[in-house]
Amino acid sequence: GQNIDQPTEMTATEGAIVQINCTYQTSGFNGLFWYQQHAGEAPTFLSYNVLDGLEETGRFSSFLSRSDSYGYLLLQELQMKDSASYFCAVKVAAGNKLTFGGGTRVLVKP
Amino acid sequence: EAGVTQFPSHSVIEKGQTVTLRCDPISGHDNLYWYRRVMGKEIKFLLHFVKESKQDESGMPNNRFLAERTGGTYSTLKVQPAELEDSGVYFCASSQVRGVREKLFFGSGTQLSVL
Repeated sequence: GQNIDQPTEMTATEGAIVQINCTYQTSGFNGLFWYQQHAGEAPTFLSYNVLDGLEETGRFSSFLSRSDSYGYLLLQELQMKDSASYFCAVKVAAGNKLTFGGGTRVLVKP
Repeated sequence: EAGVTQFPSHSVIEKGQTVTLRCDPISGHDNLYWYRRVMGKEIKFLLHFVKESKQDESGMPNNRFLAERTGGTYSTLKVQPAELEDSGVYFCASSQVRGVREKLFFGSGTQLSVL
C-alpha cells in the first residue's frame, strides 16, 4: 500500500521558520506536491518537486530527496496568515491520482 | 475566472437517506477528481473523470457511491443509502493538463454529516 507520513501539528512564532517533513513509501513516484488549506476553504497548490533539490517560491521552499523518499516544505518569515493545514502528496507513477498525507496543522503565534 | 464550485457546502442527513453532491469544475478542465477527508485523516482519492469517462474509480468505497459526469461538464456524487462512516469532507478538483506537472484546483468541499 501507499504510506505518507508528516507531523500532525506544529507551532511557531510570527517571523520564525517552520520545516514540515514528509516521508513516503509508495509503489511508484512521479512527483511530490504540497498543498495549503485554510479551515473551511479549498486546498491550494503550493509547490511541486520531481527532481532532487530545492524549489523556492517566495517565502516558501520545497525540497526533495528521492533516494531517501523524503521531502520538506520550508516556511520562512512566518506570518499569522500562514496558520493552516499543509498536505504533502505524492503522484504515483501509475495514473494521475495524488496520494495525500494526513496533513500538518501549523499554528503561528504572535 | 471562476474556481471549482461545490454544492452544498454542508449537508446533514440521517443514516439510510440519500445525498447528492455536485461539483462544477473550472471551465475547460477535462480532468475532474473526487476526494474525501474523513475527520483528521488523510485526503483520499475516490475517482477520476476525463471528460465524461471514468478513468479511475479504484478509490470508491463501495457500490453505495455513484459518480456521474454527463456531458463532461459538472459532476455529481450520490451516496445511497448513507452510512455513519460516510461522514467527512468531500472535495472535488479539476485540472486542464494531465501528466507529471498536473496542478489540481480544488473546491471548498462539501461537509457531509450522517447522523
